[in-house]
Amino acid sequence: DAGVIQSPRHEVTEMGQEVTLRCKPISGHDYLFWYRQTMMRGLELLIYFNNNVPIDDSGMPEDRFSAKMPNASFSTLKIQPSEPRDSAVYFCASSKGQDTQYFGPGTRLTVL
Amino acid sequence: KQEVTQIPAALSVPEGENLVLNCSFTDSAIYNLQWFRQDPGKGLTSLLLIQSSQREQTSGRLNASLDKSSGRSTLYIAASQPGDSATYLCAVNPSGSARQLTFGSGTQLTVLP
Repeated sequence: DAGVIQSPRHEVTEMGQEVTLRCKPISGHDYLFWYRQTMMRGLELLIYFNNNVPIDDSGMPEDRFSAKMPNASFSTLKIQPSEPRDSAVYFCASSKGQDTQYFGPGTRLTVL
Repeated sequence: KQEVTQIPAALSVPEGENLVLNCSFTDSAIYNLQWFRQDPGKGLTSLLLIQSSQREQTSGRLNASLDKSSGRSTLYIAASQPGDSATYLCAVNPSGSARQLTFGSGTQLTVLP
């Protein structure tokens, strides 16, 4: 298996622009997680899905953030409009039940 | 709310030394605990997962222990190597229906050749 795939790996955009991050989980996994990592706050869970349904989005910082999972093999995290404080590394992870979570390589987002 | 603490924040040791990384958590109602490794600019790699009913797990030179009642876990690395240099994070998976991991802030390990 190729593992969790994320794209793009790096994104540089200007404040106010829309940003879309993409994730393909490991086949057969029923949970998908979006995390954000910053120096100041460490790793934070933003939202997670079970069988494509959002279960807990309490970590989403504000309405500018939205996430979708239209099918078992694809999820997006969208920021609109983006702000400089959104600059971080965004990770996607997947798991089968509460077993080991497997992380993607991350998307490094820089908002100028 | 679950809080996870890792001490020390950074550790530097000479090659060949055995070392212990510590993780503590405030809520003992956990389903399992995972140890991850993160290399600079990379994602997280799962090292060991300990179920709440287990006391320890071993993989090669790594041994992780869990004392749920006292809210502690340790990661023991035997005969450390420069390639072990990375940030090590522990994460707690709650019991019940929730599935989100709560992460510690990590221990940055440097093994000197």
